[in-house]
Amino acid sequence: KNEVEQSPQNLTAQEGEFITINCSYSVGISALHWLQQHPGGGIVSLFMLSSGKKKHGRLIATINIQEKHSSLHITASHPRDSAVYICAVNHNNDMRFGAGTRLTVKP
Amino acid sequence: GAGVSQSPSNKVTEKGKDVELRCDPISGHTALYWYRQSLGQGLEFLIYFQGNSAPDKSGLPSDRFSAERTGGSVSTLTIQRTQQEDSAVYLCASSFGGLDDEQFFGPGTRLTVL
Repeated sequence: KNEVEQSPQNLTAQEGEFITINCSYSVGISALHWLQQHPGGGIVSLFMLSSGKKKHGRLIATINIQEKHSSLHITASHPRDSAVYICAVNHNNDMRFGAGTRLTVKP
Repeated sequence: GAGVSQSPSNKVTEKGKDVELRCDPISGHTALYWYRQSLGQGLEFLIYFQGNSAPDKSGLPSDRFSAERTGGSVSTLTIQRTQQEDSAVYLCASSFGGLDDEQFFGPGTRLTVL
């Protein structure tokens, strides 16, 4: 079993829908990152969380340390949100990655 | 301002040759990271440099891989005697602080070993 599990693996949504991507981890962490990888391959850091909740535009990320779970929400989704979303955790100065969630938003 | 840059963007080499991949981090960033993403696979953490501290090399896939960071800035990842399984995109990132800080990624170097 992977130490970082993401669900779903693939997600197709209609423009405007509310999106949730989940990340569960089984190791102790000091921080959790949400990354976005566009079809061209470039990676952008969306959030770094150690507790609570962060919001940036239409994106919201939450983390529950006790339950070892984080969620990434996208409100009013748009086709430009189509990308792979990757959850990563810092476990003892070693980054562990989820397999990613491929999101496709259709117009 | 300039982001993280990597060179070359693409590298095709023959099995057995040595390759050097370069990363220029954002000026002022003390931490620098190397990752690998094989085709259709997830990200793999290779090594990171924090300030002047010696890096933890335990994430490097084999002793054919080495990395250095000169003067706390530019880093090179060297792969000796390349194998076909080394084919991947090698990504570099940097941050002000350590692994608990926002990372800025470079565009990657796509390595193909024939």
